[in-house]
Amino acid sequence: SQQGEEDPQALSIQEGENATMNCSYKTSINNLQWYRQNSGRGLVHLILIRSNEREKHSGRLRVTLDTSKKSSSLLITASRAADTASYFCATPRYNNNDMRFGAGTRLTVKP
Amino acid sequence: DVKVTQSSRYLVKRTGEKVFLECVQDMDHENMFWYRQDPGLGLRLIYFSYDVKMKEKGDIPEGYSVSREKKERFSLILESASTNQTSMYLCASTGTAQETQYFGPGTRLLVL
Repeated sequence: SQQGEEDPQALSIQEGENATMNCSYKTSINNLQWYRQNSGRGLVHLILIRSNEREKHSGRLRVTLDTSKKSSSLLITASRAADTASYFCATPRYNNNDMRFGAGTRLTVKP
Repeated sequence: DVKVTQSSRYLVKRTGEKVFLECVQDMDHENMFWYRQDPGLGLRLIYFSYDVKMKEKGDIPEGYSVSREKKERFSLILESASTNQTSMYLCASTGTAQETQYFGPGTRLLVL
């Protein structure tokens, strides 16, 4: 089964609106990460939240983590057309050195 | 800034050819990774390496091999390319396992 599954698969909003994406995972983690990928490019790290943190901010990004529900959310406020991209959550693979990535949420921000 | 570079952005190869994809990072990272990305499947780990000459299989190692002779360079080898290996290949590195990964721009490989 896949660790780190994003929801929804696709999201379309107008510029200026907020976008919320969710991520669920299955095993215990020590951190959770969010990445962005512009079409046809590599992934760019956005934010890392540790298991003892509940909320973290970075500019217009707000990430929450609920370890009891094994879920996280990424909120982008006042979205811009340039935020159009795919967003992935990633969680450490249990007892291993790598990360598991979900299939991503495709966000489209219309001008 | 961390920089991860990949040898090609686009590559077209014939079935049966041997294909080399190279990845270089400039931040002295111990850990390097090769993923492939296909629509609807997200990123799948092919191989990773946590030190020079060390490698670990990921989720889909079949049909691939890797080489890490120097710390900064991690190569992915398709011994005999097949059409089902047409994909986007992404390389990443990290200094500390399970922390932030830094990705290269990706190589889009088409096998005809």
